[in-house]
Formats: sequence, structure tokens, C-alpha cells
Amino acid sequence: NAGVTQTPKFRVLKTGQSMTLLCAQDMNHEYMYWYRQDPGMGLRLIHYSVGEGTTAKGEVPDGYNVSRLKKQNFLLGLESAAPSQTSVYFCASSPWAGGYENIQYFGAGTRLSVL
Amino acid sequence: KNEVEQSPQNLTAQEGEFITINCSYSVGISALHWLQQHPGGGIVSLFMLSSGKKKHGRLIATINIQEKHSSLHITASHPRDSAVYICAVIEGYGNKLVFGAGTILRVKS
Repeated sequence: NAGVTQTPKFRVLKTGQSMTLLCAQDMNHEYMYWYRQDPGMGLRLIHYSVGEGTTAKGEVPDGYNVSRLKKQNFLLGLESAAPSQTSVYFCASSPWAGGYENIQYFGAGTRLSVL
Repeated sequence: KNEVEQSPQNLTAQEGEFITINCSYSVGISALHWLQQHPGGGIVSLFMLSSGKKKHGRLIATINIQEKHSSLHITASHPRDSAVYICAVIEGYGNKLVFGAGTILRVKS
């Protein structure tokens, strides 16, 4: 059972470069999320999706774009990477987000360094 | 002030000790989660609570909705329990988790 798979696991970028992080889930979940995790801070929501073809901004969306063209995939793009985007990125999915039922399943994370 | 506060930030225990990690939140919630993040980064959900108490093996989670407080207890701690423990809440009946900063637990043998 693959669950939630993130690629790549590690990446080093130079300032101004672009890249796309891929998240794939095989659980037929409606909801998908992208978070970033920084030292001393809780996970912060970047963008999320409530279904195929939909996306919405989270707490820290600036500098990122997302797309959910297929239900199983959620892509996070950095158009022009900045050192402030150095972080560990986590993708998660959940079958339903309504209050009590929001159990999220996480990918293993992508460690991104922007020099 | 963060909506979700955890204490302590760091905790070192001897194998066999009883451990308590606390979580306080400042907003109305519909559910609270405890998650575990192991060295190497993977995050897994341990408990989801909206009231009372849940137990799974050596782990016990409690929540007091009136006091806006939850605790995670580990009985007979073991070095393999060493991890970051994260509290997260769903504010109101929304669809997003709000996370605490985590408690780093190290259990020494």
C-alpha cells in the first residue's frame, strides 16, 4: 500500500529557479493539502484542494502555485525560488474534511534547500 | 499568540518513565489530533478526539473541552517512543488542521 507518495525527497535549488513537487495518493481521497514545516514552528498550510480541479489558499500561499488536474495528484510549484522557501514540505490527503472526520495521511516529506 | 500551544517543547525521559505532553488551544474546535513524527520525518496520526479519553497500547489521550486542554500520556516509555509529538485542532467545523509546534521527546535507555 503506497498511501501518499512525494517526489522528490530532496532538492537543492538556486535562487530564482523553478521546480514542481509532486504528491500522489492511491486512497481515492477527495482532500489534499500541502504544508511546510520550519524549525520551532508547527506545520503551516500552503494550499489545499477539496476535489479534482479545485484549489484554495492556506495560511502561507505566497510564492507557491498548485494544481489538481487529477484526483490522485496534487502539484506544488515554486516559480522563482527564494531562500525563505527553504523548508520541509509535506503533502497530506484525507477522505473527508468535515470536522471530526478529518484524518490526514501524510507523505514522507520533501527537504528543499534554496541557496 | 499561537492558537495551539504545546508543552514542554523538549522532554528527555528515562526508559520506563510515565510521560505527559500537554496541548492547550484558544479556539472552539470540533476535533483534536495527536500525531507522531519520527526521526526521518514521517508523520502518522495517533489519535483523534472530540471528548473524553482514548487508549491505544501504551498511549493515552485525554481532552477537556471546557478547559480547552488535551494531554498525551505514554506509560512505560521506551527508546522507540523517541519522536516529535504534534497536537493539531480543527477549528469550528472547518476543514483545516491548525498545528502546534510539537514536543521533542527523547527516551534514554
